Amino acid sequence: ETGVTQTPRHLVMGMTNKKSLKCEQHLGHNAMYWYKQSAKKPLELMFVYNFKEQTENNSVPSRFSPECPNSSHLFLHLHTLQPEDSALYLCASSQDQGGPSNEQFFGPGTRLTVL
Amino acid sequence: GQNIDQPTEMTATEGAIVQINCTYQTSGFNGLFWYQQHAGEAPTFLSYNVLDGLEEKGRFSSFLSRSKGYSYLLLKELQMKDSASYLCAVSDSNYQLIWGAGTKLIIKP
Repeated sequence: ETGVTQTPRHLVMGMTNKKSLKCEQHLGHNAMYWYKQSAKKPLELMFVYNFKEQTENNSVPSRFSPECPNSSHLFLHLHTLQPEDSALYLCASSQDQGGPSNEQFFGPGTRLTVL
Repeated sequence: GQNIDQPTEMTATEGAIVQINCTYQTSGFNGLFWYQQHAGEAPTFLSYNVLDGLEEKGRFSSFLSRSKGYSYLLLKELQMKDSASYLCAVSDSNYQLIWGAGTKLIIKP
């Protein structure tokens, strides 16, 4: 248990569906992250929020829409996804964005399959 | 561009020692992390190196050479539960983590 929870753990959706992934951290951290993990590829940073403000958007397609209502919660809204978006989506948090030895704590991920 | 290289897969025997290497080329350097990820689970923090040398933590040790852009994770007295993927990540000049693809370690009895 890392103090970061994600729901749902598994999600299957069609290309026309709309769904949302939820992340919650109980660590009192100020920064939260969305990553995409595909088989045999490096973790891809998608979005970063620091003190509820989005600070990074790594050229992510608009069919992924993040939302951070407070420092403890992070959402990823999904719509009109493509089969190549099937992957493990990981949420992480850290005390702050940046700074030395700023360890990130990860949630268990949501395994997404797009049909 | 920024690049992290580590072997895709390694196999070792229970009770033995294994060394997982990581080489990097990044824009700036603010430390190197090793994470462990069991199948279907979250990555968990193992170690952080920012200065050259060896950091030891129980059965696991991590080494860094900044001049060579090189690190390794050393696992001693291997146990079956050590079967997992090991992820190398470098904090660049903006403190953004650049990740390797991970090394899948298979432990055989």
